[in-house]
Amino acid sequence: GQSLEQPSEVTAVEGAIVQINCTYQTSGFYGLSWYQQHDGGAPTFLSYNALDGLEETGRFSSFLSRSDSYGYLLLQELQMKDSASYFCAVRSASGGSYIPTFGRGTSLIVHP
Amino acid sequence: DAGITQSPRYKITETGRQVTLMCHQTWSHSYMFWYRQDLGHGLRLIYYSAAADITDKGEVPDGYVVSRSKTENFPLTLESATRSQTSVYFCASSTGQGYSPLHFGNGTRLTVT
Repeated sequence: GQSLEQPSEVTAVEGAIVQINCTYQTSGFYGLSWYQQHDGGAPTFLSYNALDGLEETGRFSSFLSRSDSYGYLLLQELQMKDSASYFCAVRSASGGSYIPTFGRGTSLIVHP
Repeated sequence: DAGITQSPRYKITETGRQVTLMCHQTWSHSYMFWYRQDLGHGLRLIYYSAAADITDKGEVPDGYVVSRSKTENFPLTLESATRSQTSVYFCASSTGQGYSPLHFGNGTRLTVT
């Protein structure tokens, strides 16, 4: 089977940097993706890592270490609008290559 | 406007009733998915479809039925609703080409009384 672990809640202040970790267990790993969901809204895609290293998209970066089965989402220059839930999701052969399995989500609370 | 739409946005039904949630996408994406979201459980896959007339079970399929006679539609039916099926249901689609992200609809909030 597959499993993903991420913290249930993270808090930070506006302007700070925050890191949301995700560890996974799976076989036939293809890649790790991140989604953002605001309260009452649809999840939206943020980033995807298939290879080790850092992918940067504006204020958001995502990192993957396949040897450690670990990834993280880094949010810089936090803004109030970044308060949302963040989900990591793994693609793997065991889950079906185009079928991501989601973690339980991390609620990010940004304080002024 | 192209996109993925779900209907209804809100639904209240009684235990034992049949209810169908609709999902329609205009991108001609091959893959479509149904997830349910409950507090503390994240997004759990109910059913998915790789193409018209091809469907398969996900993590939590019991009590649900799907069909996909046309590429653009992927309805989810609760044959006899139970209170445990009270949840927010999200439909999603993807191309299935290389890595393709999921595009989610706005969800249906279902309450079973």
